[in-house]
Amino acid sequence: NAGVTQTPKFQVLKTGQSMTLQCAQDMNHEYMSWYRQDPGMGLRLIHYSVGAGITDQGEVPNGYNVSRSTTEDFPLRLLSAAPSQTSVYFCASRGDSNNEQFFGPGTRLTVL
Amino acid sequence: EDQVTQSPEALRLQEGESSSLNCSYTVSGLRGLFWYRQDPGKGPEFLFTLYSAGEEKEKERLKATLTKKESFLHITAPKPEDSATYLCAVSLGGTSYGKLTFGQGTILTVHP
Repeated sequence: NAGVTQTPKFQVLKTGQSMTLQCAQDMNHEYMSWYRQDPGMGLRLIHYSVGAGITDQGEVPNGYNVSRSTTEDFPLRLLSAAPSQTSVYFCASRGDSNNEQFFGPGTRLTVL
Repeated sequence: EDQVTQSPEALRLQEGESSSLNCSYTVSGLRGLFWYRQDPGKGPEFLFTLYSAGEEKEKERLKATLTKKESFLHITAPKPEDSATYLCAVSLGGTSYGKLTFGQGTILTVHP
């Protein structure tokens, strides 16, 4: 199993540009989530999904959109990037049998 | 407001010098408390889940304990390879089930 994979690893955007951060898992997990990690702020939940077709907002959802059309994929969209979205983004997934969340390697995003 | 606070922010130890990291929480309806290890440039790696006060779990040189207000991560005779950021997170029940609220982390450095 590859676990949780994220692409790209690094990305530089200009203010106002849009992009999609990709996340995929091959563990057949229903629960997936997106976090951002900023210095001194810890990991904060952006959006999460409890299954295909079901998404909900986390602690810091503004400026981000998500959709979940398949169990495997959970992309995060930035419609109009802002410098405040400069961060490291982590995707995670969790199975139903326990609470252990598996994290991907992260995407480091810089918005100029 | 649900809060998770970790202390100290940074800890420097000599190899073999045992110590403890603290995670205090003020939440209602705790479902589980999690410890993760994060190496630079990587995603968090799961260590332990604790569910009820009095519970303890061990893995190599690490032991996690839980009370009604805090958790400790004890490191016995640490080695340089234990250097990492250690993250604590809580999961709540009810409508917040599955969401993780993280502390800011403790940066551990073990000198040879």
